[in-house]
Amino acid sequence: QKEVEQNSGPLSVPEGAIASLNCTYSDRGSQSFFWYRQYSGKSPELIMFIYSNGDKEDGRFTAQLNKASQYVSLLIRDSQPSDSATYLCAVKGYNFNKFYFGSGTKLNVKP
Amino acid sequence: DGGITQSPKYLFRKEGQNVTLSCEQNLNHDAMYWYRQDPGQGLRLIYYSQIVNDFQKGDIAEGYSVSREKKESFPLTVTSAQKNPTAFYLCASSIWAATNEKLFFGSGTQLSVL
Repeated sequence: QKEVEQNSGPLSVPEGAIASLNCTYSDRGSQSFFWYRQYSGKSPELIMFIYSNGDKEDGRFTAQLNKASQYVSLLIRDSQPSDSATYLCAVKGYNFNKFYFGSGTKLNVKP
Repeated sequence: DGGITQSPKYLFRKEGQNVTLSCEQNLNHDAMYWYRQDPGQGLRLIYYSQIVNDFQKGDIAEGYSVSREKKESFPLTVTSAQKNPTAFYLCASSIWAATNEKLFFGSGTQLSVL
């Protein structure tokens, strides 16, 4: 079983719609949760982080965490073609010197 | 500007050759990491270092070596023992063991085999 699981996609949404990206993790002791955006051929860029159950909003992005279900999600409102990228979910485990990454979900936003 | 600098951007390795990837950071971060990314896959941890002169193996350390002689620098050597080295290599750093520790990445090195 992988530490962090994501649907590889691609997820296609029309411009202006809400994109919903999901991630599950296996380590119940995980403390911190992150979403990175990665454009093709580029390095990952941190866009959201969340530590507590519930929602965290930053501009068009909302991260949602449910530790009981071991589930974290990212919502992108008013999706733009520039949001087209691969989104990596990362979890910092109980053994806090390691960050575990999912394989990423490719998002396509169609004009 | 503060950041993480990786060089070169592209690197080619001949069979039997060792190559070294450079990673330098001026963020005053304690911890540094090396990840490997294969197409369509997530990041896999090669090595990490918490302090100078100390480092630990990650999940896929075989065929790689590192050193941490300075806080700012964490070079990665891909040895001839690594039989499938073609991948995108990412260096990252963070403030070690902070409760709000976040990982920041350099721009990456694409390594290919000639």
